[in-house]
Amino acid sequence: AQSVTQLGSHVSVSEGALVLLRCNYSSSVPPYLFWYVQYPNQGLQLLLKYTTGATLVKGINGFEAEFKKSETSFHLTKPSAHMSDAAEYFCAVSESGTSYDKVIFGPGTSLSVIP
Amino acid sequence: KAGVTQTPRYLIKTRGQQVTLSCSPISGHRSVSWYQQTPGQGLQFLFEYFSETQRNKGNFPGRFSGRQFSNSRSEMNVSTLELGDSALYLCASSVITQSSYNEQFFGPGTRLTVL
Repeated sequence: AQSVTQLGSHVSVSEGALVLLRCNYSSSVPPYLFWYVQYPNQGLQLLLKYTTGATLVKGINGFEAEFKKSETSFHLTKPSAHMSDAAEYFCAVSESGTSYDKVIFGPGTSLSVIP
Repeated sequence: KAGVTQTPRYLIKTRGQQVTLSCSPISGHRSVSWYQQTPGQGLQFLFEYFSETQRNKGNFPGRFSGRQFSNSRSEMNVSTLELGDSALYLCASSVITQSSYNEQFFGPGTRLTVL
């Protein structure tokens, strides 16, 4: 069965500092992996995705993530945090890119950015 | 192109009542999925509709139902409301293609409070 864990329900970083949000997954098949961001009172927005191919994936707003099969990880990073990055971040795993009932979301990490 | 819209944005109901939530997908999108988001359970898949047919269903009781109209707009209904149904209900739409991955686009959600 698939599952997703996100280490740290709350992460605080200083403005300009490195952002690192951790995600580990389990899947019995090659997974599709996603990071979503949710701002207050808004829906989810896709930051980036891994389907196949290059393991380093670049997304919007300067975020990137690396798929490491040996570590079953898909950590999200951004070199320099901005105040506008404060939001909830969700990692998700799926066995399929089109069967949405198979998407498993992690519990989320709330990112705070300190001026 | 307009995004996914959900109405109403906020609802307050009492136990035992029923509620109907509405979702208008992005123009041209024929798949609509519904999710429940709560602090305790996180994001959970409710169901997906495509071409007016339920294509997938999550693990929710029969009190939760939905439908899709010929213009792809979708409604979900919750009958006999319980306190635990208080949640943010998210709708997502997608174009269904032959590709192995079809991105979902999320609406802002409807915040349902059951008193």
